Amino acid sequence: AQSVTQPDARVTVSEGASLQLRCKYSSSVTPYLFWYVQYPRQGLQLLLKYYSGDPVVQGVNGFEAEFSKSNSSFHLRKASVHWSDSAVYFCAVSMKRGNYAQGLTFGLGTRVSVFP
Amino acid sequence: NAGVIQTPRHKVTGKGQEATLWCEPISGHSAVFWYRQTIVQGLEFLTYFRNQAPIDDSGMPKERFSAQMPNQSHSTLKIQSTQPQDSAVYLCASSPQGGSDYTFGSGTRLLVI
Repeated sequence: AQSVTQPDARVTVSEGASLQLRCKYSSSVTPYLFWYVQYPRQGLQLLLKYYSGDPVVQGVNGFEAEFSKSNSSFHLRKASVHWSDSAVYFCAVSMKRGNYAQGLTFGLGTRVSVFP
Repeated sequence: NAGVIQTPRHKVTGKGQEATLWCEPISGHSAVFWYRQTIVQGLEFLTYFRNQAPIDDSGMPKERFSAQMPNQSHSTLKIQSTQPQDSAVYLCASSPQGGSDYTFGSGTRLLVI
């Protein structure tokens, strides 16, 4: 079974500063990798995903993530954050069985607070 | 495209009552997933349908919880004899055939008092 660890429960950054959120996974094979964001009282919105190829993946709103097979990691980063980036960020993995993707396994999330 | 629709948005039930949560997937999506979100446990996978057939219910509590997908346009999650520990946000997601492009609904916030 796979698992996801997000070691930072909370991160506080100044507006305009850079942001990095860490994610490590445990899996017997390289899974599909995802970052989602959740704003208050809303569902999950996909930021980006990785299946294969270039280990640096570009996402929405200036986010990017870098996959490292040797470190079993998929860290998320943004060069300059805005106050609207305040939210909870979830790293998730999914396995593929045959031709079908399975359900997601999530980390516990990192709450990001951006202050002026 | 209205996205994944979950109803009701909020539900309050008394302990011991039954709760039924509804999910309407995106038209054309053949896979439907249910998740539960709590502060303590985070996001937990419950169950998964593909082409209306149950594929994986490994996350479903063995008692009181059941899920169905009677047609391609909706799925239900039923909780019998609700308990306070069932209080959570229940999220539904759908994805295209075989794909991992999951789209989530806004969730149903269940409160058992």
